Amino acid sequence: DSGVTQTPKHLITATGQRVTLRCSPRSGDLSVYWYQQSLDQGLQFLIQYYNGEERAKGNILERFSAQQFPDLHSELNLSSLELGDSALYFCASSVRDRGSEQYFGPGTRLTVT
Amino acid sequence: AQSVTQLDSHVSVSEGTPVLLRCNYSSSYSPSLFWYVQHPNKGLQLLLKYTSAATLVKGINGFEAEFKKSETSFHLTKPSAHMSDAAEYFCVVSPLRRSNYQLIWGAGTKLIIKP
Repeated sequence: DSGVTQTPKHLITATGQRVTLRCSPRSGDLSVYWYQQSLDQGLQFLIQYYNGEERAKGNILERFSAQQFPDLHSELNLSSLELGDSALYFCASSVRDRGSEQYFGPGTRLTVT
Repeated sequence: AQSVTQLDSHVSVSEGTPVLLRCNYSSSYSPSLFWYVQHPNKGLQLLLKYTSAATLVKGINGFEAEFKKSETSFHLTKPSAHMSDAAEYFCVVSPLRRSNYQLIWGAGTKLIIKP
């Protein structure tokens, strides 16, 4: 158990809908990262927050957004969902904003039908 | 530019034989290096990390990796494979002076253990 929690574990929704994925980092970690993992594209970095502020953006679509709250938990919002958004979404956390290892949550499996 | 290359997409070994998963990196600065493991339908777990201390790093489950600056390599080894080691392994570089804070992930190596 890494100490990073993600909810829900599974999510099934229809195209065009909007969903919110939630992540709680390990106690003491200030950075939260979001990743998408699909069979055809592998693991893709989406976005990073550090102590409430956006720090880095990766391959995140405009339909996706995230935020980190004062209690350091984070939410990833996915809207106007398409079939291609079906994937595993991982949250990770780390102590510092760079250079330190990341600890991953168990992931949320999103299925868009 | 920084990059990481895992030289084998698949490695197959027999149970009880040594494991070698190869990783080469390219970085302009002294990087931190990590190996992660992902078992089927599971999350990613940190196996070990190198952060410029000892060049031979010991991790969990009997794995270790050696940082070789001259060869820009960080290969993962285990003396004796176990069936439970079947998983995908990712080599990761954290270039400490990179401006956009991203880890650089290798494409992964699937380790297959034959009984």
